[in-house]
Amino acid sequence: GQQLNQSPQSMFIQEGEDVSMNCTSSSIFNTWLWYKQDPGEGPVLLIALYKAGELTSNGRLTAQFGITRKDSFLNISASIPSDVGIYFCAGQMDSNYQLIWGAGTKLIIKP
Amino acid sequence: AAGVIQSPRHLIKEKRETATLKCYPIPRHDTVYWYQQGPGQDPQFLISFYEKMQSDKGSIPDRFSAQQFSDYHSELNMSSLELGDSALYFCASSFPGTSGYEQYFGPGTRLTVT
Repeated sequence: GQQLNQSPQSMFIQEGEDVSMNCTSSSIFNTWLWYKQDPGEGPVLLIALYKAGELTSNGRLTAQFGITRKDSFLNISASIPSDVGIYFCAGQMDSNYQLIWGAGTKLIIKP
Repeated sequence: AAGVIQSPRHLIKEKRETATLKCYPIPRHDTVYWYQQGPGQDPQFLISFYEKMQSDKGSIPDRFSAQQFSDYHSELNMSSLELGDSALYFCASSFPGTSGYEQYFGPGTRLTVT
């Protein structure tokens, strides 16, 4: 079963607004990954985080690896229509590279 | 840049039939992962291979088997298909070293069992 709590489950925002989502766990993770998935397509890796406290940007996206190693957040600034989709966090606890997934955050932009 | 290739993209099978899904990883990637994703669900890890050896096993049913070949492509074999096997099946690949934690996904195969 899932060991990551991802919130919110869905977000309705206006174009141009900033977006924030996060994942928390009761366990310590060594790596945090953020993916975006469009309907019927494979998840696309957005950002990978490897160190506690690390803050990494990819264009309008910024993600941070929490200091406690039990959480991570993803921010999207100035959202645009193509940001619509489902965002997943995924973490790795040990060296076998197996990913533990959050349940996803569905981003919907109001016209 | 080259991405993970999966074939077929869509597959329709009847109950109790067999299916084979293929995955071609990104060049120089030596690890392949298989995932199953139901509607509205996160991807569920099935099995992974590193250097042609099974490296980890998740919730893969006994009716399914997989292998990785010498050219690093992988095949997922599914037998005695059930209606509940209808899902998106993704393959992901990674490169060894610190970036081995980064898994790159293919476009998926949509399997429909009728």
